[in-house]
Amino acid sequence: AQSVSQHNHHVILSEAASLELGCNYSYGGTVNLFWYVQYPGQHLQLLLKYFSGDPLVKGIKGFEAEFIKSKFSFNLRKPSVQWSDTAEYFCAVNAERDDKIIFGKGTRLHILP
Amino acid sequence: GAGVSQTPSNKVTEKGKYVELRCDPISGHTALYWYRQSLGQGPEFLIYFQGTGAADDSGLPNDRFFAVRPEGSVSTLKIQRTERGDSAVYLCASSLTSFSEQYFGPGTRLTVT
Repeated sequence: AQSVSQHNHHVILSEAASLELGCNYSYGGTVNLFWYVQYPGQHLQLLLKYFSGDPLVKGIKGFEAEFIKSKFSFNLRKPSVQWSDTAEYFCAVNAERDDKIIFGKGTRLHILP
Repeated sequence: GAGVSQTPSNKVTEKGKYVELRCDPISGHTALYWYRQSLGQGPEFLIYFQGTGAADDSGLPNDRFFAVRPEGSVSTLKIQRTERGDSAVYLCASSLTSFSEQYFGPGTRLTVT
């Protein structure tokens, strides 16, 4: 069965700091990988996704993630965070040709102005 | 255009009662998903519809939970004999086709007292 582990439950940073949120998954086959974000009071929305091709994926709002197959990892990065990045971030995976998405427990990111 | 909508936004019910939660997907989306998010956890898959049929109901926790999508659009999640452990946010998502991006609704917060 697939599972997703997010390393940090709560991260606090100052504006302009660099961000890296860790994510590891367990599944032996081909996977699709996602990062979702939930801003305060808003719906879950897709930040970026990896299906195939270039393992460095760029998403909205300056976020990027790198798929390292040998490490089963898909870490999220942003070089300089803003106060508006305060949100909860979820890493997720689904096995190729399987519709259900398996989510991690989420990381609450709090950016200090 | 309109996104996924869910009603009610909040539902408080007494233990043992029956509840129905409604999801209106994005118009034209053939796939519809239900997830449940408990406090401090990521969304957990419940059931997936392709058209009118439940293609995968492996995430339903027990036979008190049932979902329908009779005309291939609106879906209703039904919970019988509610228990306090059913308290969670129930999320609905839809996608244009199977294996394409899922768009999430705002969720229904269910509280069982």
